[in-house]
Amino acid sequence: DTAVSQTPKYLVTQMGNDKSIKCEQNLGHDTMYWYKQDSKKFLKIMFSYNNKELIINETVPNRFSPKSPDKAHLNLHINSLELGDSAVYFCASSLFLYEQYFGPGTRLTVT
Amino acid sequence: GQQLNQSPQSMFIQEGEDVSMNCTSSSIFNTWLWYKQDPGEGPVLLIALYKAGELTSNGRLTAQFGITRKDSFLNISASIPSDVGIYFCAGQLNSGAGSYQLTFGKGTKLSVIP
Repeated sequence: DTAVSQTPKYLVTQMGNDKSIKCEQNLGHDTMYWYKQDSKKFLKIMFSYNNKELIINETVPNRFSPKSPDKAHLNLHINSLELGDSAVYFCASSLFLYEQYFGPGTRLTVT
Repeated sequence: GQQLNQSPQSMFIQEGEDVSMNCTSSSIFNTWLWYKQDPGEGPVLLIALYKAGELTSNGRLTAQFGITRKDSFLNISASIPSDVGIYFCAGQLNSGAGSYQLTFGKGTKLSVIP
């Protein structure tokens, strides 16, 4: 019954490693997003895909690469992790231009 | 870019009291959304507003889309302990290249004293 799901929930890794976060939605939405929430709880859009096409690409290091194999999935791959990448990452989905529904988040800790 | 000012940043209230929080923007939006985030969870949509002047309720929650399209408020009546959390406003323009992204306020942290 989960609408937007993310895995893993927690991710602890060392600097320099490469990691991926997966997101899936079963709402039939055509648009998916990745957000980063910093330690002060500020939510900032990173990427958005509409029908598997990238439509928003905010100023994010190119170490971050989203991939959308189909409309129900949007994965986030991060290369060469840095300490500053530690944050909570949220996936969200919506029908284009309508309200967004968020996943439970992935807490990434880089040591 | 667009900026959202959300206030207050935090509130401590007694159980049973009413709560009001608001967001103002430097530019107009076509959509205002209100979310609540519990610790360790993702933001949950509370209310979506799509028309200027619209007043919408969801149980004890009421939100309004300001006539100028630059502001919105959220009221919670008769607060209960489970209302504790961080409330976010978010605005969306829905027109023009790249403008359909959500801009979030910085959140209002609500604490309810039993």
